[in-house]
Amino acid sequence: SYELTQPPSVSVSPGQTARITCSGDALPKQYAYWYQQKPGQAPVLVIYKDSERPSGIPERFSGSSSGTTVTLTISGVQAEDEADYYCQSADSSGHGVFGGGTKLTVL
Amino acid sequence: EVQLVQSGAEVKKPGESLKISCKGSGYSFTSYWIGWVRQMPGKGLEWMGIIYPGDSDTRYSPSFQGQVTISADKSISTAYLQWSSLKASDTAMYYCARLTDYGRTGYSGSYYYWGQGTLVTVSS
Repeated sequence: SYELTQPPSVSVSPGQTARITCSGDALPKQYAYWYQQKPGQAPVLVIYKDSERPSGIPERFSGSSSGTTVTLTISGVQAEDEADYYCQSADSSGHGVFGGGTKLTVL
Repeated sequence: EVQLVQSGAEVKKPGESLKISCKGSGYSFTSYWIGWVRQMPGKGLEWMGIIYPGDSDTRYSPSFQGQVTISADKSISTAYLQWSSLKASDTAMYYCARLTDYGRTGYSGSYYYWGQGTLVTVSS
């Protein structure tokens, strides 16, 4: 079955830049989406179609794509950004797939 | 305002059946795909399947095909996820979520609107 691979954890100090990667063979052909999930809450969409930002999402969140890897970048990380982040895309049948998730720790 | 309101937490025994619900409001319920996502305790998100309420076209992840049934009643703007025989390993939080984009053509997009989640606990 198709898999999206994320690092389990990323740590940064406040004000630094966090980069979270997501790798998958179909990513050159399928859009990627990113979600933020804080404890006890439903996920929140922070990036769609690789690099678009929904209204209400701070500008410090951005997305990019290169080959089989997409990257979520959080510039000027704030304490409130500490959360789990998931990438999502689709397999060749169009079925949704989530990455395993990355825990962002703000030191 | 778009809202997805899910049914309340459930505690069941192994072998029992269960149907949980997700009621949509504030938009055309029949015109957007609704997906279901599982999150086991302390684990990540898993895509289970999706339904188009307009015609009940349903697609399942291979991992969940045959394990659950997704349905919808468009007359009451409600989608459902059901099990015929629960297992302890079904213990999880289950979210419904609405596909961001309008229409039937594609179901592989993002989910902007999410329900609050339904916690299902299966224990003897």
